[in-house]
Amino acid sequence: SQTIHQWPATLVQPVGSPLSLECTVEGTSNPNLYWYRQAAGRGLQLLFYSVGIGQISSEVPQNLSASRPQDRQFILSSKKLLLSDSGFYLCAWRRDAVQETQYFGPGTRLLVL
Amino acid sequence: QKEVEQDPGPLSVPEGAIVSLNCTYSNSAFQYFMWYRQYSRKGPELLMYTYSSGNKEDGRFTAQVDKSSKYISLFIRDSQPSDSATYLCAMREDSSYKLIFGSGTRLLVRP
Repeated sequence: SQTIHQWPATLVQPVGSPLSLECTVEGTSNPNLYWYRQAAGRGLQLLFYSVGIGQISSEVPQNLSASRPQDRQFILSSKKLLLSDSGFYLCAWRRDAVQETQYFGPGTRLLVL
Repeated sequence: QKEVEQDPGPLSVPEGAIVSLNCTYSNSAFQYFMWYRQYSRKGPELLMYTYSSGNKEDGRFTAQVDKSSKYISLFIRDSQPSDSATYLCAMREDSSYKLIFGSGTRLLVRP
């Protein structure tokens, strides 16, 4: 069966510091991968989407970037965090473009002070 | 206007009640419809998905899609305190990679 991991689970960072969040998927190959952000009481905002190694689509131009250095690894980064980057970051995967839906990881809670 | 509208609640019901959760949408091209359950500080968990119109049942959960009205529902029978969570609807077009989410309805089932 497939498993998706995210770390860290919680992170408190000062404004202006860099960020690196990691997501890995086990039990499948060449998954489609997603990064979302969920603000308190809000829906999910799609940030990045990837269909393969090195292939990243950005949905929202902002302070963040994503990379996919390996088939089942997806990284969300920032060079300088803003207060507005606080939120709950979720990684998701689906098997391929045919699979109907997405499966989510446990999330990383980021607080920027 | 948002593409997907969902009442944020909270919806408070007694244990054993039938719960009805709903979403409306504006894009007639949506073909896949999903419901996720999200417990506090956890990632969303897929509950149900349906393709196009119709009903789908899984245990105590029933998902309904009415494309003519652009309206989807999730019914929970014999609700339990463990059903207390936020329920997110999501949908996408046939050939799209992107899921469009509602903002979620918070459900509280009182013992």
